Amino acid sequence: QQPVQSPQAVILREGEDAVINCSSSKALYSVHWYRQKHGEAPVFLMILLKGGEQKGHEKISASFNEKKQQSSLYLTASQLSYSGTYFCGTEIPPGGYQKVTFGTGTKLQVIP
Amino acid sequence: NAGVMQNPRHLVRRRGQEARLRCSPMKGHSHVYWYRQLPEEGLKFMVYLQKENIIDESGMPKERFSAEFPKEGPSILRIQQVVRGDSAAYFCASSKGAQNNEKLFFGSGTQLSVL
Repeated sequence: QQPVQSPQAVILREGEDAVINCSSSKALYSVHWYRQKHGEAPVFLMILLKGGEQKGHEKISASFNEKKQQSSLYLTASQLSYSGTYFCGTEIPPGGYQKVTFGTGTKLQVIP
Repeated sequence: NAGVMQNPRHLVRRRGQEARLRCSPMKGHSHVYWYRQLPEEGLKFMVYLQKENIIDESGMPKERFSAEFPKEGPSILRIQQVVRGDSAAYFCASSKGAQNNEKLFFGSGTQLSVL
């Protein structure tokens, strides 16, 4: 079951903040976040494993609410380099091997 | 320290031809995943392979599509008798282990265009 991301697209001015949400209809084991720039490979940002866990990567952080089956990605004081499409990927409880199902993505554009 | 290598980067085929997409995982990685991405859409899981074994091909169409990851050499995604609907970007990813929570390293993708 594909996770649902919101918003689908967002435009920010440099220095502004944004939140991208990812929700699943199924219980989650972990949530991955990746960023893809146009024409390039998706690049790993972070994995969240436990309910309530928060992780950070430069000025990008994320939370994982296991109970609500949701994760949110927080971009603080955005920079031009943050532009790209952000994908959340979810893993349902362990089935013996890893299988990441990605959402449809959130297109982020940061303008000067 | 090469990352995941995919080739070709761009592939043009006429309807009915065969397409072969190659993926060499990162050094030390023995787990390969193939994803398909249509324009403005997300990454759709196709198949997960370990060396010489297909573990999960639940996302791969039953007909015309096949994948392998031989003991030696790259992983191959093969599409026979391509149709226009096969046009997409195909990404390969690799991981070191098969445990949950392993991060995926993606290649730059192969853009397949079917004329």
